[in-house]
Amino acid sequence: GDSVTQMEGPVTLSEEAFLTINCTYTATGYPSLFWYVQYPGEGLQLLLKATKADDKGSNKGFEATYRKETTSFHLEKGSVQVSDSAVYFCALRGGGSNYKLTFGKGTLLTVNP
Amino acid sequence: NAGVTQTPKFRVLKTGQSMTLLCAQDMNHEYMYWYRQDPGMGLRLIHYSVGEGTTAKGEVPDGYNVSRLKKQNFLLGLESAAPSQTSVYFCASYEEGGGKETQYFGPGTRLLVL
Repeated sequence: GDSVTQMEGPVTLSEEAFLTINCTYTATGYPSLFWYVQYPGEGLQLLLKATKADDKGSNKGFEATYRKETTSFHLEKGSVQVSDSAVYFCALRGGGSNYKLTFGKGTLLTVNP
Repeated sequence: NAGVTQTPKFRVLKTGQSMTLLCAQDMNHEYMYWYRQDPGMGLRLIHYSVGEGTTAKGEVPDGYNVSRLKKQNFLLGLESAAPSQTSVYFCASYEEGGGKETQYFGPGTRLLVL
């Protein structure tokens, strides 16, 4: 079945540091890939997505590129801010799956001033 | 446009008690989902619905029932709560078409079973 493996946290960075959170996946067919963010006490929000190989999703300075050859969708940001502190989830939607999402376990990011 | 709302926000139950969690969406979405979130486990799908009057099992359905009598509402029931059901429950609805392909999540219901 489909699965998502993402970098275990927690990750602690100083403000303006570079961020990478690794995500790899296993899926049949051609999945769509997502990054969701969960701020403290809130539900999940879509951060970015990519629906086919070599697509780059981007939003709020975050980027991730859909790499089919390495089955990866790593999240990056060049300069993190304190306000980026949150839990980040990588997820995939397999083809023909009634739009169900399979999530990774989440990575807690803390950014210190 | 309130998006996805969940009721209640927090609840404490004793083992064996029953309760219903309500999810409502005002976006006219066909697909709705119930997840539970536990530390170190990510989100796991409990049940989902592909339209009014339909329900289907997800990854961890045991101990839960659902109903989708109206398109905008998706109810999650616990008939006899157990401590293992202590968790944060999230509802989501799905928007398809127009390149959106996005699940919208509610704010969550925190449930403690003693």
